[in-house]
Amino acid sequence: ETGVTQTPRHLVMGMTNKKSLKCEQHLGHNAMYWYKQSAKKPLELMFVYNFKEQTENNSVPSRFSPECPNSSHLFLHLHTLQPEDSALYLCASSQEAGAGSTDTQYFGPGTRLTVL
Amino acid sequence: AQKVTQAQTEISVVEKEDVTLDCVYETRDTTYYLFWYKQPPSGELVFLIRRNSFDEQNEISGRYSWNFQKSTSSFNFTITASQVVDSAVYFCALTYPFNSGGSNYKLTFGKGTLLTVNP
Repeated sequence: ETGVTQTPRHLVMGMTNKKSLKCEQHLGHNAMYWYKQSAKKPLELMFVYNFKEQTENNSVPSRFSPECPNSSHLFLHLHTLQPEDSALYLCASSQEAGAGSTDTQYFGPGTRLTVL
Repeated sequence: AQKVTQAQTEISVVEKEDVTLDCVYETRDTTYYLFWYKQPPSGELVFLIRRNSFDEQNEISGRYSWNFQKSTSSFNFTITASQVVDSAVYFCALTYPFNSGGSNYKLTFGKGTLLTVNP
């Protein structure tokens, strides 16, 4: 695998379900991000992790719970979502600070989430 | 506040035509980076170019070229001899350091321009 991978690619869930989105980066980066892309709206940054520590929570509702066990993996745990949470969820990674810093974010293919 | 404006929501051209996608940005930072990403129907955001605010040289990569004009805060993207495979949503983005150590960068995206290239 190369670049940034995300699973599943498509997910349909009911409002009472609990599911998780997974992201894995194979670029040796130290920062990872979750974005939400809704129809007709700009990309919204949700969370930022730097060296496994959360450095940004962009006022995201608690029904979205991120987890970053190491610099290569990022999860987004979902529970009791609403239909308006249906969107494309994109994961990205970058190399921040220090030698080799590029700040360029590389994105995964996204998970298309539908909440019924 | 950072802001990126892509005034063209949709553009439709015929194959082999040249097309320019406009991007205007606002920032109070003196150091920042500008990006273009391509999002084909599959959904993945594909990185195209990164530009440092101190480097105003235009860049050409194959059929793609970028015109960075700091005086007008614009970073326009031209596709020469467009092809059907160029059909996608194109995003312009601006990044700036957002924590005190300057070690993390936040991307502000424009709303994107949907480019359709017809055969």
